[in-house]
Amino acid sequence: DAKTTQPNSMESNEEEPVHLPCNHSTISGTDYIHWYRQLPSQGPEYVIHGLTSNVNNRMASLAIAEDRKSSTLILHRATLRDAAVYYCILRVQHSGNTPLVFGKGTRLSVIA
Amino acid sequence: DGGITQSPKYLFRKEGQNVTLSCEQNLNHDAMYWYRQDPGQGLRLIYYSQIVNDFQKGDIAEGYSVSREKKESFPLTVTSAQKNPTAFYLCASSALPQGLSNQPQHFGDGTRLSIL
Repeated sequence: DAKTTQPNSMESNEEEPVHLPCNHSTISGTDYIHWYRQLPSQGPEYVIHGLTSNVNNRMASLAIAEDRKSSTLILHRATLRDAAVYYCILRVQHSGNTPLVFGKGTRLSVIA
Repeated sequence: DGGITQSPKYLFRKEGQNVTLSCEQNLNHDAMYWYRQDPGQGLRLIYYSQIVNDFQKGDIAEGYSVSREKKESFPLTVTSAQKNPTAFYLCASSALPQGLSNQPQHFGDGTRLSIL
């Protein structure tokens, strides 16, 4: 899987929007962009994924640059429960199940 | 509720002992995975299995063994050959892909293994 680059840490105030960036300049045309987050002492949980178009779900929005070399995970109103490590992962479009390749992610702190 | 159950939550091992970590899922998923996480690091893949009776090594398989005799179970044995087994171990599963899009992985809450 292609490599991604994320800031080590970010901070946000509660109830404000958060934009978590991810650079993936070597992305190929068949790579999907996946986001997971890991709350303290828990396993990761899936957040969102996309290929080319922006995506929205109940947890977050994913904005993908036109050239697909970067993307941004958007939390519209941060809560204390959103404090976690966020992982941006590229997954090859494939006919079978493939493991995830995790980097160190971005540690998001939310201030009350 | 459907999900993945890992047990025990905390496990202590004496040096030289093998220990087995349990992972059970009732999501009817075909694929299952084992990852290891060290403090401040991302997850690293140990083994994965796409179907019953078949599994593949991941990046750090040395000192570990697995079996996949049933669809819902994927136990991981940490052998005495694993020199630094203290870590957080996470099990995951996923359904078959829909078209060419990988399905999300669902994770358990992990087992924290420590050496006495």
